[in-house]
Amino acid sequence: DAGVIQSPRHEVTEMGQEVTLRCKPISGHNSLFWYRQTMMRGLELLIYFNNNVPIDDSGMPEDRFSAKMPNASFSTLKIQPSEPRDSAVYFCASSWDRNTEAFFGQGTRLTVV
Amino acid sequence: KNEVEQSPQNLTAQEGEFITINCSYSVGISALHWLQQHPGGGIVSLFMLSSGKKKHGRLIATINIQEKHSSLHITASHPRDSAVYICAVLYSGGGADGLTFGKGTHLIIQP
Repeated sequence: DAGVIQSPRHEVTEMGQEVTLRCKPISGHNSLFWYRQTMMRGLELLIYFNNNVPIDDSGMPEDRFSAKMPNASFSTLKIQPSEPRDSAVYFCASSWDRNTEAFFGQGTRLTVV
Repeated sequence: KNEVEQSPQNLTAQEGEFITINCSYSVGISALHWLQQHPGGGIVSLFMLSSGKKKHGRLIATINIQEKHSSLHITASHPRDSAVYICAVLYSGGGADGLTFGKGTHLIIQP
């Protein structure tokens, strides 16, 4: 398996634009997590899916952020409209379940100017 | 708020030295993870622990559940061990279902 695949690796966008980040988890993993990493706050959980269902979205900053998992092999994180303070590295991770080892994607570095 | 504290924040050592990074947390957990993040940014899982000790090559991780404390040790350190080491916990009670992270320890091993 190629591991967790995220795209794009880098994204630069203008404030106000819509941004969509994509993630393909490892085949067979039932849990998927979106994390955000900033210099100020470090790594933080945004949302957790189990069997494609959002279980915990308490970390999603505000209504501008939304995440979907239409099937077991694909998830998106959307920001609309984007703001400069959204600039961060966004990681997707998957695991068999929340109690097992997590495998991280390479991350998407988002810059909103 | 459930906190994960790591120490030291920064550590510079000479090649060959024995390295210890500490992690403490405030409430009950079901698992603790040690992660490694290289300058390129990718995150790799090193260990997942719920009790005792695990060893992989030159890396050793221990956890003391009663004291709510874990340590990551690197024996015979090498410049390629230079990275940020992050402790993360999965809480067993209510709260976030994902990992809660420490701020990381930035390790530099000088040749």
